[in-house]
Amino acid sequence: EAGVTQFPSHSVIEKGQTVTLRCDPISGHDNLYWYRRVMGKEIKFLLHFVKESKQDESGMPNNRFLAERTGGTYSTLKVQPAELEDSGVYFCASSHGVQGFSNTIYFGEGSWLTVV
Amino acid sequence: AQTVTQSQPEMSVQEAETVTLSCTYDTSESDYYLFWYKQPPSRQMILVIRQEAYKQQNATENRFSVNFQKAAKSFSLKISDSQLGDAAMYFCAYRSYGGATNKLIFGTGTLLAVQP
Repeated sequence: EAGVTQFPSHSVIEKGQTVTLRCDPISGHDNLYWYRRVMGKEIKFLLHFVKESKQDESGMPNNRFLAERTGGTYSTLKVQPAELEDSGVYFCASSHGVQGFSNTIYFGEGSWLTVV
Repeated sequence: AQTVTQSQPEMSVQEAETVTLSCTYDTSESDYYLFWYKQPPSRQMILVIRQEAYKQQNATENRFSVNFQKAAKSFSLKISDSQLGDAAMYFCAYRSYGGATNKLIFGTGTLLAVQP
């Protein structure tokens, strides 16, 4: 079974440009999450999809960030325009079904974003 | 709001020895879950061990065990018989019980080096 896959693994863009990160969750996982880790700091929650609907987007930092999940399958996270403080690692995660303790959340390897 | 603190940015252990990683948290909730995640270099973050707050018994997974002190809000991870493959970034995480979202609240991580 394929795990959570993220693309690109690394991206270097200039301030003001646009970047789109993609996440493919494990097949059949209704729940999809985006997290971000700024270097040296904690991993912070960005948002949670249940299928194609945004369940919780309380962690999205500002309106330069747009997340979508087309048809409840893969998800994209677009940053437009990118700022220096957006640099960090963006993690995607997925889990199956109704939330419960036993439902493990599976993480991808992360997409490293550097804004210069 | 809940917070998670990992006070050890880096730790080192000799192969076959035991190491303990510290984690404290702050919450006003009585029911919650606690987790330790491991991220090896350039690989996916994986769940190491988890604990339900209402259970007094400390969770154990092979060489990994926790010391859960609810009153002290402490959740340390003990790795016994350390192996080279244990070298990774370790994150402590908190999750509320119930609720519509399943978001995790992470600490800043502890980078564990294992010396041969």
